[in-house]
Amino acid sequence: KAGVTQTPRYLIKTRGQQVTLSCSPISGHRSVSWYQQTPGQGLQFLFEYFSETQRNKGNFPGRFSGRQFSNSRSEMNVSTLELGDSALYLCASGLVWGQGADTQYFGPGTRLTVL
Amino acid sequence: GDSVTQMEGPVTLSEEAFLTINCTYTATGYPSLFWYVQYPGEGLQLLLKATKADDKGSNKGFEATYRKETTSFHLEKGSVQVSDSAVYFCALGVRNTNAGKSTFGDGTTLTVKP
Repeated sequence: KAGVTQTPRYLIKTRGQQVTLSCSPISGHRSVSWYQQTPGQGLQFLFEYFSETQRNKGNFPGRFSGRQFSNSRSEMNVSTLELGDSALYLCASGLVWGQGADTQYFGPGTRLTVL
Repeated sequence: GDSVTQMEGPVTLSEEAFLTINCTYTATGYPSLFWYVQYPGEGLQLLLKATKADDKGSNKGFEATYRKETTSFHLEKGSVQVSDSAVYFCALGVRNTNAGKSTFGDGTTLTVKP
């Protein structure tokens, strides 16, 4: 069974631009969560989607948004990029919502660099 | 709120040495506990987990026991290998009426030298 895939793997943007990252969960998984990983802040939860609905949200500004499609694929968008948004963005999938309480299956991440 | 405190790194060991990475937690509910490992350039992958008090998770020679009385979930391995060099994350997950969400520690970088 294919794992979680994330595209693109690397991205370079400039301040003020916007960016869209994509995540395809493991086949049959309906929950997708997003995390931001930085050296200073560690792993921080962004949001969780299940059945095209946002179920949970972390403490990030409204510039960070996401959505989930009927095939469970998810995208996250960051508008008006800031230097501090440079990070590794990880997507994790699971069978059911609230899957943060159970094993999560992570993708390799998208490395975003904001110049 | 929920939190996880991990032993600060980096940790450097010689091959075949004994490994302990300490992890303690605070949680409002009754959490499941996890250790994830991240190899360079990759995402996190589950190493082991425990879902109730006194459970022992084990995988690839690593072990951790869910200690409710000390709110701890320390990771141990009797004899580390160079291939164990990675970043290790302790995490907890609590399911409640709203949603489940994981809380991660800051990660501990382990380097094993031949």
